[in-house]
Amino acid sequence: EDKVVQSPLSLVVHEGDTVTLNCSYEVTNFRSLLWYKQEKKAPTFLFMLTSSGIEKKSGRLSSILDKKELFSILNITATQTGDSAVYLCAVEKGGSEKLVFGKGTKLTVNP
Amino acid sequence: GAVVSQHPSRVICKSGTSVKIECRSLDFQATTMFWYRQFPKQSLMLMATSNEGSKATYEQGVEKDKFLINHASLTLSTLTVTSAHPEDSSFYICSARDPLTSGGYNEQFFGPGTRLTVL
Repeated sequence: EDKVVQSPLSLVVHEGDTVTLNCSYEVTNFRSLLWYKQEKKAPTFLFMLTSSGIEKKSGRLSSILDKKELFSILNITATQTGDSAVYLCAVEKGGSEKLVFGKGTKLTVNP
Repeated sequence: GAVVSQHPSRVICKSGTSVKIECRSLDFQATTMFWYRQFPKQSLMLMATSNEGSKATYEQGVEKDKFLINHASLTLSTLTVTSAHPEDSSFYICSARDPLTSGGYNEQFFGPGTRLTVL
Protein backbone atom coordinates (compact mmCIF):
# COMPACT_ATOMS: atom_id res chain seq x y z
CA GLU A 1 0.00 0.00 0.00
CA ASP A 2 1.29 3.45 -0.92
CA LYS A 3 2.25 5.61 2.04
CA VAL A 4 3.37 9.19 2.51
CA VAL A 5 4.36 10.03 6.08
CA GLN A 6 5.03 13.54 7.29
CA SER A 7 6.68 14.58 10.50
CA PRO A 8 6.22 16.26 12.81
CA LEU A 9 2.44 16.43 12.70
CA SER A 10 2.54 19.82 14.35
CA LEU A 11 5.18 22.35 15.24
CA VAL A 12 5.11 25.62 17.14
CA VAL A 13 7.98 28.08 16.73
CA HIS A 14 8.76 31.76 17.24
CA GLU A 15 9.22 34.26 14.46
CA GLY A 16 12.73 34.14 13.09
CA ASP A 17 13.25 30.46 13.80
CA THR A 18 14.23 28.01 11.07
CA VAL A 19 12.13 24.88 10.63
CA THR A 20 12.57 21.63 8.76
CA LEU A 21 9.59 19.56 7.75
CA ASN A 22 10.00 15.93 6.77
CA CYS A 23 8.27 13.71 4.26
CA SER A 24 9.05 10.05 3.70
CA TYR A 25 7.32 7.84 1.21
CA GLU A 26 6.77 4.30 0.05
CA VAL A 27 5.05 4.57 -3.30
CA THR A 28 5.25 2.21 -6.22
CA ASN A 29 6.34 3.76 -9.45
CA PHE A 30 7.41 7.12 -8.04
CA ARG A 31 7.34 10.01 -10.48
CA SER A 32 7.57 13.24 -8.52
CA LEU A 33 7.10 14.72 -5.06
CA LEU A 34 5.21 17.92 -4.44
CA TRP A 35 4.91 20.29 -1.51
CA TYR A 36 1.81 22.39 -0.90
CA LYS A 37 0.86 25.04 1.64
CA GLN A 38 -2.70 24.94 2.90
CA GLU A 39 -4.15 27.79 4.90
CA LYS A 40 -7.88 28.01 5.32
CA LYS A 41 -8.82 26.88 1.88
CA ALA A 42 -7.30 24.74 -0.84
CA PRO A 43 -3.60 23.94 -1.10
CA THR A 44 -1.29 26.23 -2.99
CA PHE A 45 1.64 24.79 -4.87
CA LEU A 46 5.15 25.30 -3.51
CA PHE A 47 7.58 22.88 -5.15
CA MET A 48 7.79 19.89 -7.44
CA LEU A 49 10.83 17.64 -7.07
CA THR A 50 11.79 14.95 -9.50
CA SER A 51 15.55 14.51 -9.16
CA SER A 52 17.64 13.65 -6.12
CA GLY A 53 19.98 16.19 -4.62
CA ILE A 54 18.81 19.24 -6.51
CA GLU A 55 17.61 21.92 -4.13
CA LYS A 56 14.69 24.07 -5.15
CA LYS A 57 14.38 27.50 -3.59
CA SER A 58 11.75 30.17 -3.42
CA GLY A 59 12.58 33.02 -1.10
CA ARG A 60 12.89 31.66 2.42
CA LEU A 61 11.61 28.25 1.43
CA SER A 62 13.72 25.45 0.02
CA SER A 63 13.26 21.76 -0.57
CA ILE A 64 15.31 18.77 -1.58
CA LEU A 65 14.59 15.17 -2.49
CA ASP A 66 16.53 11.99 -1.72
CA LYS A 67 15.23 9.22 -3.96
CA LYS A 68 17.60 6.67 -2.50
CA GLU A 69 16.39 7.16 1.07
CA LEU A 70 12.84 7.98 -0.09
CA PHE A 71 12.36 11.28 1.67
CA SER A 72 12.19 14.99 1.17
CA ILE A 73 12.59 17.98 3.45
CA LEU A 74 11.09 21.43 3.32
CA ASN A 75 13.07 24.18 5.02
CA ILE A 76 11.73 27.55 6.02
CA THR A 77 14.23 30.10 7.30
CA ALA A 78 13.49 33.26 9.28
CA THR A 79 9.90 32.17 9.79
CA GLN A 80 7.10 34.74 9.86
CA THR A 81 3.60 34.54 11.27
CA GLY A 82 2.32 34.35 7.70
CA ASP A 83 4.07 31.01 7.34
CA SER A 84 1.55 29.48 9.75
CA ALA A 85 -0.29 26.83 7.74
CA VAL A 86 -0.53 23.13 7.10
CA TYR A 87 2.22 21.93 4.78
CA LEU A 88 1.28 18.96 2.66
CA CYS A 89 3.59 16.55 0.90
CA ALA A 90 2.27 14.51 -2.02
CA VAL A 91 3.80 11.91 -4.31
CA GLU A 92 2.76 11.41 -7.88
CA LYS A 93 2.61 7.85 -9.14
CA GLY A 94 3.90 7.18 -12.60
CA GLY A 95 1.47 5.68 -15.06
CA SER A 96 -1.41 7.68 -13.60
CA GLU A 97 -1.88 11.27 -12.53
CA LYS A 98 -2.79 10.34 -8.99
CA LEU A 99 -1.31 12.09 -6.01
CA VAL A 100 -0.91 10.37 -2.66
CA PHE A 101 -0.94 12.89 0.15
CA GLY A 102 0.57 12.81 3.59
CA LYS A 103 -1.41 14.02 6.59
CA GLY A 104 0.44 17.30 6.69
CA THR A 105 2.48 19.23 9.22
CA LYS A 106 0.69 22.03 11.00
CA LEU A 107 3.14 24.88 11.52
CA THR A 108 2.32 27.68 13.93
CA VAL A 109 4.64 30.68 14.02
CA ASN A 110 4.15 32.89 17.05
CA PRO A 111 5.22 36.54 17.12
CA GLY B 1 0.04 29.67 -12.30
CA ALA B 2 -3.14 28.20 -13.66
CA VAL B 3 -6.42 29.15 -11.96
CA VAL B 4 -9.09 26.69 -10.89
CA SER B 5 -12.40 27.89 -9.49
CA GLN B 6 -15.11 26.10 -7.57
CA HIS B 7 -18.71 26.96 -6.94
CA PRO B 8 -20.27 27.19 -4.47
CA SER B 9 -17.69 27.86 -1.79
CA ARG B 10 -20.08 26.83 0.93
CA VAL B 11 -23.39 24.95 0.91
CA ILE B 12 -25.75 23.83 3.63
CA CYS B 13 -28.46 21.38 2.71
CA LYS B 14 -31.00 19.07 4.27
CA SER B 15 -30.46 15.37 4.48
CA GLY B 16 -31.76 13.56 1.41
CA THR B 17 -31.20 16.38 -1.04
CA SER B 18 -28.63 16.46 -3.83
CA VAL B 19 -25.89 19.03 -4.15
CA LYS B 20 -23.92 19.92 -7.26
CA ILE B 21 -20.40 21.36 -7.07
CA GLU B 22 -18.73 22.89 -10.11
CA CYS B 23 -15.03 22.95 -10.86
CA ARG B 24 -13.70 25.15 -13.66
CA SER B 25 -10.28 25.69 -15.14
CA LEU B 26 -10.31 29.39 -15.95
CA ASP B 27 -7.34 29.92 -18.22
CA PHE B 28 -6.46 26.49 -19.52
CA GLN B 29 -8.06 23.33 -20.80
CA ALA B 30 -7.99 20.31 -18.53
CA THR B 31 -8.68 16.90 -19.97
CA THR B 32 -8.37 15.50 -16.47
CA MET B 33 -9.62 16.88 -13.20
CA PHE B 34 -9.49 15.34 -9.75
CA TRP B 35 -11.93 15.39 -6.87
CA TYR B 36 -10.76 15.13 -3.27
CA ARG B 37 -12.45 15.28 0.06
CA GLN B 38 -10.86 16.41 3.27
CA PHE B 39 -12.15 15.80 6.77
CA PRO B 40 -11.09 18.10 9.60
CA LYS B 41 -7.43 17.68 10.50
CA GLN B 42 -7.05 15.00 7.85
CA SER B 43 -5.26 15.01 4.55
CA LEU B 44 -6.76 15.08 1.09
CA MET B 45 -8.24 11.80 -0.05
CA LEU B 46 -8.65 11.29 -3.78
CA MET B 47 -12.22 10.35 -4.59
CA ALA B 48 -12.15 10.12 -8.36
CA THR B 49 -10.45 11.13 -11.56
CA SER B 50 -12.70 13.01 -13.94
CA ASN B 51 -11.96 12.50 -17.62
CA GLU B 52 -13.40 14.77 -20.28
CA GLY B 53 -15.76 12.91 -22.55
CA SER B 54 -15.64 9.63 -20.68
CA LYS B 55 -16.60 8.06 -17.38
CA ALA B 56 -14.88 9.02 -14.20
CA THR B 57 -12.53 6.61 -12.48
CA TYR B 58 -13.42 6.16 -8.82
CA GLU B 59 -11.09 5.21 -6.01
CA GLN B 60 -11.75 2.11 -3.99
CA GLY B 61 -14.50 2.63 -1.46
CA VAL B 62 -16.06 5.63 -3.20
CA GLU B 63 -19.64 5.01 -4.32
CA LYS B 64 -20.00 6.10 -7.91
CA ASP B 65 -23.80 6.21 -7.69
CA LYS B 66 -23.61 8.56 -4.74
CA PHE B 67 -20.90 10.85 -6.07
CA LEU B 68 -21.80 11.52 -9.69
CA ILE B 69 -19.09 13.12 -11.76
CA ASN B 70 -19.60 14.72 -15.13
CA HIS B 71 -16.77 16.23 -17.18
CA ALA B 72 -18.76 17.75 -20.00
CA SER B 73 -16.13 20.09 -21.38
CA LEU B 74 -12.41 20.78 -21.20
CA THR B 75 -12.96 23.46 -18.59
CA LEU B 76 -15.77 22.10 -16.41
CA SER B 77 -16.26 19.11 -14.16
CA THR B 78 -19.16 18.70 -11.77
CA LEU B 79 -19.54 16.56 -8.67
CA THR B 80 -23.07 15.81 -7.51
CA VAL B 81 -23.55 14.41 -4.05
CA THR B 82 -26.83 12.55 -4.30
CA SER B 83 -29.15 11.96 -1.36
CA ALA B 84 -26.71 13.67 0.95
CA HIS B 85 -26.44 12.60 4.58
CA PRO B 86 -24.69 14.24 7.52
CA GLU B 87 -21.70 11.91 7.12
CA ASP B 88 -21.14 13.44 3.68
CA SER B 89 -20.35 16.76 5.33
CA SER B 90 -16.81 17.57 4.36
CA PHE B 91 -14.53 19.87 2.41
CA TYR B 92 -14.54 18.94 -1.28
CA ILE B 93 -11.66 20.15 -3.43
CA CYS B 94 -11.05 19.78 -7.13
CA SER B 95 -7.79 20.09 -8.98
CA ALA B 96 -6.58 20.15 -12.53
CA ARG B 97 -3.31 19.99 -14.37
CA ASP B 98 -2.41 22.33 -17.17
CA PRO B 99 -0.72 19.99 -19.63
CA LEU B 100 0.89 22.88 -21.49
CA THR B 101 2.88 24.19 -18.53
CA SER B 102 3.61 21.15 -16.44
CA GLY B 103 6.12 19.62 -18.81
CA GLY B 104 4.46 16.25 -18.45
CA TYR B 105 4.65 16.34 -14.67
CA ASN B 106 1.64 16.50 -12.45
CA GLU B 107 1.74 20.02 -11.04
CA GLN B 108 -1.88 20.11 -9.99
CA PHE B 109 -3.61 23.37 -9.26
CA PHE B 110 -6.36 23.28 -6.71
CA GLY B 111 -9.68 25.03 -6.55
CA PRO B 112 -10.60 26.94 -3.40
CA GLY B 113 -12.79 24.11 -2.15
CA THR B 114 -16.45 23.70 -1.22
CA ARG B 115 -17.52 23.27 2.38
CA LEU B 116 -20.60 21.01 2.43
CA THR B 117 -22.71 20.77 5.56
CA VAL B 118 -25.61 18.33 5.55
CA LEU B 119 -28.14 18.87 8.32
